[in-house]
Amino acid sequence: GDSVTQMEGPVTLSEEAFLTINCTYTATGYPSLFWYVQYPGEGLQLLLKATKADDKGSNKGFEATYRKETTSFHLEKGSVQVSDSAVYFCALSDVSQFYFGTGTSLTVIP
Amino acid sequence: GAGVSQSPSNKVTEKGKDVELRCDPISGHTALYWYRQSLGQGLEFLIYFQGNSAPDKSGLPSDRFSAERTGGSVSTLTIQRTQQEDSAVYLCASSLYRRGTSGRAGYEQYFGPGTRLTVT
Repeated sequence: GDSVTQMEGPVTLSEEAFLTINCTYTATGYPSLFWYVQYPGEGLQLLLKATKADDKGSNKGFEATYRKETTSFHLEKGSVQVSDSAVYFCALSDVSQFYFGTGTSLTVIP
Repeated sequence: GAGVSQSPSNKVTEKGKDVELRCDPISGHTALYWYRQSLGQGLEFLIYFQGNSAPDKSGLPSDRFSAERTGGSVSTLTIQRTQQEDSAVYLCASSLYRRGTSGRAGYEQYFGPGTRLTVT
C-alpha cells in the first residue's frame, strides 16, 4: 500500500543554516504530496503542497519538489530562523486516504 | 467559522470514565478525519468519514472507541471506559473531496487545534 517515509529527527541547526528534511513515498496511483508543520502546542498547518510530478511547492521560504523518478519530496529552506522550530510532517494523499510520515522535529538555535 | 474547531481543548478524566470529543469541520467540507497523537509521536489515523458513505473505521484501536458524524457536519469521538494509554492529543481534520482525471486527488486537510486528553 501507499506509505511515506521521512527523515528521523531530532534535527538541531544554527540560525541561518540550510535545512533539508528528506521524504520518500510509495504510491500506486497519482498522489498529491504535502508538508505540514506543527508549532509547539498547536495543531498541524499546511505548509506547502504539490499535486503532480515536477511541481514545486513553496511557502515561507520553504520549498519541495515532487520527484517521480526518485519518489521523493524533500523539504528545503536556505536560511532557517528560530521561529521555524517545529515538527514537520510529510504526507501523501491518494483518492481516498491520507498517509503521514512520523514527523521530524527541528530546533533552530540562535 | 473560518477553520476547524474542536472542544474541549483540554480534558482530564479518571480511568474508567467515558469521554466525548467534538469536532466542527469547515463548512462545506465533506471529508472528516480523526487522528491521535501521543506525546512526541506521529499521527495515528483513527477514522474517516466521507459524505454519506460508511465510515472507514480501520484505525480505531479498540471497541471502546467510536465516532459519529451527524448531518454530514459535526463529529463526536467517544471513548468508553478510558484507560491511561488513551492519554494523547486527538486531532480532527476536514477536507473537500476532489477527484480529478486519472484518479488524481489534490485536496489538503485542514486541522483543528486538537483536544488534549489526560486519563488519570
